[in-house]
Amino acid sequence: DTAVSQTPKYLVTQMGNDKSIKCEQNLGHDTMYWYKQDSKKFLKIMFSYNNKELIINETVPNRFSPKSPDKAHLNLHINSLELGDSAVYFCASSQELMASYEQYFGPGTRLTVT
Amino acid sequence: AQSVTQPDIHITVSEGASLELRCNYSYGATPYLFWYVQSPGQGLQLLLKYFSGDTLVQGIKGFEAEFKRSQSSFNLRKPSVHWSDAAEYFCAVGGLLSGTASKLTFGTGTRLQVTL
Repeated sequence: DTAVSQTPKYLVTQMGNDKSIKCEQNLGHDTMYWYKQDSKKFLKIMFSYNNKELIINETVPNRFSPKSPDKAHLNLHINSLELGDSAVYFCASSQELMASYEQYFGPGTRLTVT
Repeated sequence: AQSVTQPDIHITVSEGASLELRCNYSYGATPYLFWYVQSPGQGLQLLLKYFSGDTLVQGIKGFEAEFKRSQSSFNLRKPSVHWSDAAEYFCAVGGLLSGTASKLTFGTGTRLQVTL
């Protein structure tokens, strides 16, 4: 069983389009995250949700809107896509109640904006 | 603010040789430290973590890391590298941001190449 899954794995789209990336975790964790990895492999946190509540929002353009329908899912919707949005987006989850802080990552979604 | 520095962008070692990847951190309190590995086209896998206690921690795949508070370092080591260890390695520092979420700050990564 995949612990943290993301769909799609690859996403190619044109500038100006709106797209969504889905994330699901079956670990029973209560906190989920979105990270962006740029072309130089630098990983930066974008958002964190705990039990459907937004906890972290790291100065991300408001074209990016996370949605958490339940604590097992955290989707990322991106409006008006720009060339600079091309990156690999990783979803992660953790169980904060255990205070372990270790995060489990999904396989990533490679977004290419043309 | 927390930060992580991985001074080596790219390291090449021969298979069977020992390996040490460097990591220096900046954090205002006792840090929670992690090493993740990313194989090409894959997500990140946790190798090991340090929270407290013994400063030498053992991880998966034969890796270990040593926490040195005086040097603000958490270097990753492996006594004998295998070709399958070729990947990108990320050091991360984390801590509790609020009562319900932690924040991981990653280094820029070190790409390990293994020659046969």
